[in-house]
Amino acid sequence: DIQMTQSPSSLSASVGDTVTITCRASRTISMHLNWYQKQPGQAPKLLIYAASTLQSGVPSRFSGSTSGTDFTLTISSLQPEDFATYYCYQSYSPPLTFGGGTKVEIQ
Amino acid sequence: QVQLVESGGGVVQPGRSLRLSCAASGFNFNKYAMHWVRQAPGKGLEWVAVISYDGTTEYYADSVKGRFTISSDSSKNTLYLQVNSLRADDSAVYHCARAPYSGGWYSIDYWGQGTLVTVCS
Repeated sequence: DIQMTQSPSSLSASVGDTVTITCRASRTISMHLNWYQKQPGQAPKLLIYAASTLQSGVPSRFSGSTSGTDFTLTISSLQPEDFATYYCYQSYSPPLTFGGGTKVEIQ
Repeated sequence: QVQLVESGGGVVQPGRSLRLSCAASGFNFNKYAMHWVRQAPGKGLEWVAVISYDGTTEYYADSVKGRFTISSDSSKNTLYLQVNSLRADDSAVYHCARAPYSGGWYSIDYWGQGTLVTVCS
């Protein structure tokens, strides 16, 4: 099974900051990596698919990149509505797996 | 627009069964693969199962294999999850989710709000 190691598990930031979240796959998953935003009590929202493609309607301050089995989500100029938990997800091979999540909190 | 509405959750004793449903609307249901994903209280997201658009192929997480069964009824635009031999660690909000039409049926683009399953004696 493919393990997704996400870091950090939480971070504190201020409005306007740039934050970076990383996921490492235990083996190659090509570009089959999505990023989701989850607010408490709400359905998760797709932000990035295929490692770096922005989902329609998602602000351009969200971006994704990859280097081998390392994947990065960057949020530039953090906005109040961005304080949430973020998850990576590998869609390469079943059983499909999520990273452990990163909670972005207000500093 | 895409809507996914789950139902069927509740409080159930260990060892019992439930059938969760997900009513889909706003898209051509019989052309899309569908997933179930759960989130236990205070925990992260856990993928549970996926079914192909035509219902011929299913995959499961190791934690539910042999106890849970995913199915779909295209005549009713409804996805199901039969959950048997429930354990305390199956307590979670269960979300149904849609795979995109293109780009791989293991991916997920839309999610429902979820239905809560609580397993306790």
